[in-house]
Amino acid sequence: EVQLLESGGGLVQPGGSLRLSCVASGFTFNIYAMSWVRQAPGKGLEWVSVISGSGGNTYYADSVKGRFTISRDKSKNTLYLQMNSLRAEDTAVYYCAKEGGYTYGWFDYWGQGSLVTVSS
Amino acid sequence: SYELTQAPSVSVSPGQTARITCSGDALPNQYAYWYRQKPGQAPVLIIYKDTERPSGIPERFSGSISGTIATLIISGVQAEDEADYYCQSTDGSSSNLYVFGSGTKVTVL
Repeated sequence: EVQLLESGGGLVQPGGSLRLSCVASGFTFNIYAMSWVRQAPGKGLEWVSVISGSGGNTYYADSVKGRFTISRDKSKNTLYLQMNSLRAEDTAVYYCAKEGGYTYGWFDYWGQGSLVTVSS
Repeated sequence: SYELTQAPSVSVSPGQTARITCSGDALPNQYAYWYRQKPGQAPVLIIYKDTERPSGIPERFSGSISGTIATLIISGVQAEDEADYYCQSTDGSSSNLYVFGSGTKVTVL
């Protein structure tokens, strides 16, 4: 059974940093690309970033480029999102999501989400 | 930037058919995907590659594509189908690889 378990969310001041983690199980982690998708309170889904299965390729939404860094650790089956220079508009539930195919396409499994609140 | 357009809301009576549309210029060339999200829960994939249904998703959910419009069809709507539904596709022309529609709230009357 595929499971994705996020952690690391919380309250942070504007300009601060936070690192999210997502522990994966139930599939061969290093084969599939993994993404972070966020949802601001009462709003829709917004893709944030993706990393290839090997970790060699990363892509970011324009809204987070230069501030967020996605990475993965094959030995720990863990996906990360390092978030720096946080802004109020980054407040959201952050989901990690597994790629459904072998290229960049869709998400077949999602974690339960981790809430990040950016406020003074 | 590339956008997918969805109606904000759809209302349907139990047992009737709900049709949720998603409009996007690149949909003739890129697949559409659909997710259901209930309050306080993570999204769940219900249709992939325009028309395919993952295992475990009821047969009353189906997808279709015609030109620039993808449609999610819920036949014989049940009270438990009340949720937000999002379409998603990919944008190969920009760094924003994945694009979501704004979501459609389905209300079962």
